[in-house]
Amino acid sequence: DTGVSQDPRHKITKRGQNVTFRCDPISEHNRLYWYRQTLGQGPEFLTYFQNEAQLEKSRLLSDRFSAERPKGSFSTLEIQRTEQGDSAMYLCASSRDRGIMNTEAFFGQGTRLTVV
Amino acid sequence: GENVEQHPSTLSVQEGDSAVIKCTYSDSASNYFPWYKQELGKRPQLIIDIRSNVGEKKDQRIAVTLNKTAKHFSLHITETQPEDSAVYFCAASKSISNTGKLIFGQGTTLQVKP
Repeated sequence: DTGVSQDPRHKITKRGQNVTFRCDPISEHNRLYWYRQTLGQGPEFLTYFQNEAQLEKSRLLSDRFSAERPKGSFSTLEIQRTEQGDSAMYLCASSRDRGIMNTEAFFGQGTRLTVV
Repeated sequence: GENVEQHPSTLSVQEGDSAVIKCTYSDSASNYFPWYKQELGKRPQLIIDIRSNVGEKKDQRIAVTLNKTAKHFSLHITETQPEDSAVYFCAASKSISNTGKLIFGQGTTLQVKP
């Protein structure tokens, strides 16, 4: 499968613990996004990378959240001191940069986080 | 702020009937409007998209229309089949922001009864 892959698929953690998720985008895509999806809602934008540069962060992304894309390839999303409200599906997406023209974003299967 | 409203939240149709899902957007700078289908437990997948320089686009049984003046766009599925049952999301983005981030609607759960 040469699509966007995310690891792990499921994560159950105790409140207060730190968790880290990984996303491997499609190899030639230089744009990478993280979204959060809760039950019955559409995905909500969290953050955006162009290559290794994090160019936009949503106000939804509290200080406990940090994302990196160190070499412009895979990305990690870390949540520190998890809270029950962090329980959600975390989706990664990637797309090709075509200048001012937006292109199709391909999504991974997501990491489902449950904080108990 | 940027917002996309989607209606209805649930839609039940008989196999063979048409289904229409409507979305409105708030940011007049939005110029790219994709539609994603998400089956239970699976990733969202693009089914059709439209740019603001086009009023309508068709792909077999699926069509999307865009009214820039009214800031709304719609998904039309004709001759529905049970395998069309899924959650559908509309989204909007603007190239001027140069990020391509998508603002999604709340989703429509479509059920096609055989």
